[in-house]
Amino acid sequence: QSALTQPPSASGSPGQSVTISCTGTSSDIGDYNYVSWYQQHPGKAPKLMIYEVTKRPSGVPDRFSGSKSGNTASLTVSGLQAEDEADYYCISYAAGTHVALGGGTKVTVL
Amino acid sequence: EVLLVESGGALVQPGGSLRLSCAASGFTLSDYWMTWVRQAPGKGLEWVANIKGDGSDTGYADSVKGRFSISRDNAKNSLYLQMNSLSAEDTAVYYCARNDDYYKLSYWGQGTLVTVSS
Repeated sequence: QSALTQPPSASGSPGQSVTISCTGTSSDIGDYNYVSWYQQHPGKAPKLMIYEVTKRPSGVPDRFSGSKSGNTASLTVSGLQAEDEADYYCISYAAGTHVALGGGTKVTVL
Repeated sequence: EVLLVESGGALVQPGGSLRLSCAASGFTLSDYWMTWVRQAPGKGLEWVANIKGDGSDTGYADSVKGRFSISRDNAKNSLYLQMNSLSAEDTAVYYCARNDDYYKLSYWGQGTLVTVSS
C-alpha cells in the first residue's frame, strides 16, 4: 500500500497558524479529491477533521481547513489552541491499492 | 448516535490466532463499507482490511494478506477480523471504522489491544 509523506513534527504558538503537508503521487493525491485528515490525541481513537480535501464534518471548528495543489495536500490549523496539540494523519484514495496513508505529524503548541 | 465497540483483543503467543469483533449501532451497517486500521505502539496508522456493505468485496494490506480475514454479519450488526499466524509485528491497537466514501472514515471505535508475545 502506498505511503504519503508527512513531516514528523510541526509547532506554533497559541493564536498562530500551522500548516501540515501530505505529499503523494499522481496515483493518489494528484488524481483524486479524496484526501481526509484525522486528529488523534494520546490514547484516543482518530477523529475525522477534513474530508474530500476541503470539507469539514459538522462539529469541527472552522479553524481547521484543507487544500490541495498537485500531489500535495495540506491541513492548516488557524488560531492554534492548546487542545489542537495532537498527532495528525492524512489518508488518500489511491489507484490500484485504493488507499494511501501518511506517517503522521505531531503538532506541538508552544 | 453512531457507536462502534471493538472487543476480542488479548495476549496471544506467536503463531496463534485471534478473532476481533466490532459491534455497530446507530446506523444501518449494511449500507457501509467497513475498515480495520491498526496502530503499533508508538507508531502511525496502518490500514488492515476493508469489506463492502453486503460482504461481497474485501481488500487486505499486503502485510496481512493470507493470514487475516475480514467478515461481517449485518443481521447481528457486527464486523469481524480473524487473525491467524500472528507474529510480534501484529502487536497493535486495532480500530474498526465506518468507511463512508473513498476512505472518509467518519466514525471509529475506541480500539482493542492485541499483543503477540511468548
